[in-house]
Amino acid sequence: QVQLQESGPGLVKPSETLSLTCTVSGGSVSSGSYYWTWIRQPPGKGLEWIGYIYYSVNTNYNPSLKSRVTISVDSSKNQFSLKLSSVTAADTAVYYCARQMGPLNWFDPWGQGTLVTVSS
Amino acid sequence: SYELTQPLSVSVALGQTARITCGGNNIGSKNVHWYQQKPGQAPVLVIFRDTNRPSGIPDRFSGSNSGNTATLTISRAQVGDEADYYCQVWDSSNVVFGGGTKLTVL
Repeated sequence: QVQLQESGPGLVKPSETLSLTCTVSGGSVSSGSYYWTWIRQPPGKGLEWIGYIYYSVNTNYNPSLKSRVTISVDSSKNQFSLKLSSVTAADTAVYYCARQMGPLNWFDPWGQGTLVTVSS
Repeated sequence: SYELTQPLSVSVALGQTARITCGGNNIGSKNVHWYQQKPGQAPVLVIFRDTNRPSGIPDRFSGSNSGNTATLTISRAQVGDEADYYCQVWDSSNVVFGGGTKLTVL
């Protein structure tokens, strides 16, 4: 049974880069059967898709965030990561990692989420 | 860009049937997925590809999709079904989520 766990700093200063890691257990991030995704949720608001990576190198990002987002894989640690540059208070959110069940499919399971606050 | 419209809230009496709608232009031509999110928890998939239930999801949860509206139906609603529900589709290789619906069981 696949499980995902987010980790990273809970506080980031404005204009800096937010960096989070998702550790996958019970499955391989190198598997071509799945895509690995980041989704965020500002406090009290809805879900926003950030992007995904598959086959360790192929990525697709939300156009509204594309210029600031990088998703990468570390196969040796069975992890995938999110970097979001030039953050502002609007990037304050709970960040979730999730497994996507192939192209144009659903997300299952999700990690528990981690709150990142952007503040000086 | 493609938009999905959900009611902000839906109320249902205990034991009755709740229907949560998700509106979008010709959404019937897309695959719709539904997630349940309880307070302080991560979303959980409850319906995929319009009508399919993942293992472990009660058969009280069902889905349909036609025309401009997809619907999540929860039969015999329980207090434990109180949560936010989100629909999701893909449009032009991008993910679109509905704004979410808060279900209250009275």
